[in-house]
Amino acid sequence: AQSVTQLGSHVSVSEGALVLLRCNYSSSVPPYLFWYVQYPNQGLQLLLKYTTGATLVKGINGFEAEFKKSETSFHLTKPSAHMSDAAEYFCAVSGLSGGSYIPTFGRGTSLIVHP
Amino acid sequence: DVKVTQSSRYLVKRTGEKVFLECVQDMDHENMFWYRQDPGLGLRLIYFSYDVKMKEKGDIPEGYSVSREKKERFSLILESASTNQTSMYLCASRIGQGPRETQYFGPGTRLLVL
Repeated sequence: AQSVTQLGSHVSVSEGALVLLRCNYSSSVPPYLFWYVQYPNQGLQLLLKYTTGATLVKGINGFEAEFKKSETSFHLTKPSAHMSDAAEYFCAVSGLSGGSYIPTFGRGTSLIVHP
Repeated sequence: DVKVTQSSRYLVKRTGEKVFLECVQDMDHENMFWYRQDPGLGLRLIYFSYDVKMKEKGDIPEGYSVSREKKERFSLILESASTNQTSMYLCASRIGQGPRETQYFGPGTRLLVL
């Protein structure tokens, strides 16, 4: 069975500081990995995804994530946090089950950005 | 732009009532999903549908049923609402699967069962 673990339910950074949100996964090979963002009172939207190929994936709003197979990790980073980045972030893995790909989400990490 | 709409943003129901949550997508996607979102638990899959009239149970189907009579519409039904079903409900539609997939989410319905 596939699973996702997000380390830290809350991460607090100062504006301009590095953002690092951690995600570890358990999945059959190959893993298809996703990061979604949820702004207050909205649904989720896709930030970026890893499928195959380059292990460093660039997404929207300056975020990127690196797939590390040896560490079973897919951590999300941004060099410089903005106030507008304050949101809930979800890591997800999609794996094959009964002929369909089924997504499994982590518990989410709330990013707090201080001025 | 893909649009996924949910019939209500907020809903208040009484214990024992039958509740319908509607979700409509405008991009002809085959796959649609219902999740519930609870603080500290993330998103948990209730049901999904990979085509009209086709449905599969997710991780927490108990107390719920679904209906997909038309491709664009996926309904979640709470047969007899209970207080432990108070939650945020998110609908999503999906294009592609696995390496080609992207899910598009609706804004959510916050349901309070009294």
